[in-house]
Amino acid sequence: DSGVTQTPKHLITATGQRVTLRCSPRSGDLSVYWYQQSLDQGLQFLIQYYNGEERAKGNILERFSAQQFPDLHSELNLSSLELGDSALYFCASSVELRTEAFFGQGTRLTVV
Amino acid sequence: AQSVTQPDIHITVSEGASLELRCNYSYGATPYLFWYVQSPGQGLQLLLKYFSGDTLVQGIKGFEAEFKRSQSSFNLRKPSVHWSDAAEYFCAVGLHGSSNTGKLIFGQGTTLQVKP
Repeated sequence: DSGVTQTPKHLITATGQRVTLRCSPRSGDLSVYWYQQSLDQGLQFLIQYYNGEERAKGNILERFSAQQFPDLHSELNLSSLELGDSALYFCASSVELRTEAFFGQGTRLTVV
Repeated sequence: AQSVTQPDIHITVSEGASLELRCNYSYGATPYLFWYVQSPGQGLQLLLKYFSGDTLVQGIKGFEAEFKRSQSSFNLRKPSVHWSDAAEYFCAVGLHGSSNTGKLIFGQGTTLQVKP
């Protein structure tokens, strides 16, 4: 158990819908990262927050957004969902920047 | 642009045999280097990391990796593979520098199958 908690574990939704994925980082970790894992793209960095502020952005679609709350948990919002958004979404956390990241179990999103 | 290459998509070894998984990276300086393992239906577990210092690093589950700057490689090794090692293995790099936030660039992964 990495200490990073993601909910829900599985999510099935229809195209055009909006979903929210939640991540609770390890206790004491200030940095939260979101990654997407798909068969064709592999593991791709989406976005990072550090102590409530956005620190880095990857290839995140405009339909996707995220935030980190004062208690340091983070949410990834995916809207206007398309079939191609079906993937495993991972959250990871680290104590500081440039330290090793620990990953949650992921949320498997299926868009039908 | 920075990139990570894992040349072997799929490797099959016999239980008890030695293992080496290859990883090459492209980056202008020495990056931070990681190996993660993903078992079916599971998240990514950190096996080991290299930040600086001794180029041979030890990790969990009997794994080790060696950083070779001249070859831009960070290969993962294990002297004797167990059936429970069957999983997908990812090499990742994090970047140095003040602009580095800690985000990781992953290779495409190597799937390890272990024969009894």
